[in-house]
Amino acid sequence: NAGVTQTPKFQVLKTGQSMTLQCAQDMNHNSMYWYRQDPGMGLRLIYYSASEGTTDKGEVPNGYNVSRLNKREFSLRLESAAPSQTSVYFCASSDGQRGEKLFFGSGTQLSVL
Amino acid sequence: GQQVMQIPQYQHVQEGEDFTTYCNSSTTLSNIQWYKQRPGGHPVFLIQLVKSGEVKKQKRLTFQFGEAKKNSSLHITATQTTDVGTYFCAGPSGGSYIPTFGRGTSLIVHP
Repeated sequence: NAGVTQTPKFQVLKTGQSMTLQCAQDMNHNSMYWYRQDPGMGLRLIYYSASEGTTDKGEVPNGYNVSRLNKREFSLRLESAAPSQTSVYFCASSDGQRGEKLFFGSGTQLSVL
Repeated sequence: GQQVMQIPQYQHVQEGEDFTTYCNSSTTLSNIQWYKQRPGGHPVFLIQLVKSGEVKKQKRLTFQFGEAKKNSSLHITATQTTDVGTYFCAGPSGGSYIPTFGRGTSLIVHP
């Protein structure tokens, strides 16, 4: 039982390049989330998906797109990376929509030069 | 929008000393969750409090949820080096089910 799996673990991009961060969970959870973590800023929500087929913006969605491919997978795409998107990205999932606990993936450390 | 404040941002203690972090929300929370993130790791769920005035204990850790459901605290008794990490509080409010995270308190324990 792997929980929440994120790939890649590390990535270096040049400004303007694009990439997709992959996330999959094997807990049959309905809700999935993408957060970014910057020093001293805590965890800020980028996008979330309450259920398969739905996605919504979080606190800091600009510069990102997401796809809820199926119940298991939720990807985050940077179309044209900027240095301000240098961060650690965490995918998370939860069982439903009642404020349940979140299960986090191990994170992706992204540097944009 | 909802804001969740956590203090202090950093706390250095000698091993064996106690530690407390405080969490305050600008709005009433439906519940409060606490997470621990070890250096280089990912946040891991510790506990959830739901009821007004609730107190829960996990070994040396004591969690409290305020009467007004707008504040919470985590107290660690007799810290150990294994307690090192950043502690986050998080809670949903305003009808949303999605928790807003505080900025965390980083605990550094000196042996």
